[in-house]
Amino acid sequence: DTAVSQTPKYLVTQMGNDKSIKCEQNLGHDTMYWYKQDSKKFLKIMFSYNNKELIINETVPNRFSPKSPDKAHLNLHINSLELGDSAVYFCASSGAGGTEHFGPGTRLTVT
Amino acid sequence: KQEVTQIPAALSVPEGENLVLNCSFTDSAIYNLQWFRQDPGKGLTSLLLIQSSQREQTSGRLNASLDKSSGRSTLYIAASQPGDSATYLCAAASGNTPLVFGKGTRLSVIA
Repeated sequence: DTAVSQTPKYLVTQMGNDKSIKCEQNLGHDTMYWYKQDSKKFLKIMFSYNNKELIINETVPNRFSPKSPDKAHLNLHINSLELGDSAVYFCASSGAGGTEHFGPGTRLTVT
Repeated sequence: KQEVTQIPAALSVPEGENLVLNCSFTDSAIYNLQWFRQDPGKGLTSLLLIQSSQREQTSGRLNASLDKSSGRSTLYIAASQPGDSATYLCAAASGNTPLVFGKGTRLSVIA
């Protein structure tokens, strides 16, 4: 069973569109995250949610809006996509032990 | 603000060699330090997590050490194999803040 899953795996879209990436974890973790990995492979935190509540928002444009309908899901909605949004987006979760478990990533390409 | 640096950026070794990957962090008040592996086009796999109270963790051929006072961690890989080829990332967690990642070391083990 996949611990942290993301859909879609690949997303190609045009500038100006709105898109969503979904994330689900079946580990029973309380905390979930979204990370962005840029073209230089640098991973940076975007958001962190604990029990459906936003606890970290790392200077991300407000075009990015995370939504957590329940503890097992953290979706990322992006409005008015820009070329610079092209990256790989990773969802992750962690429990009491602290180890973060990552999803397989979603490669977003904005043309 | 925590900053994590990994040296070297890339490393190529013949199969069978023992090797050390280095990670340094600027804020020694960490909660834990984690090592991940990322294969090309794939997500991150957690390798080892060292709590701030620990000095090292071992898993198979991998051994990670932590020296908080000097702000350093090392990942030791024994008897390297071609299957170890990947990018290795270290990440530091401070209190309730999410992980701060280094830029990774790209390892190639040549048969």
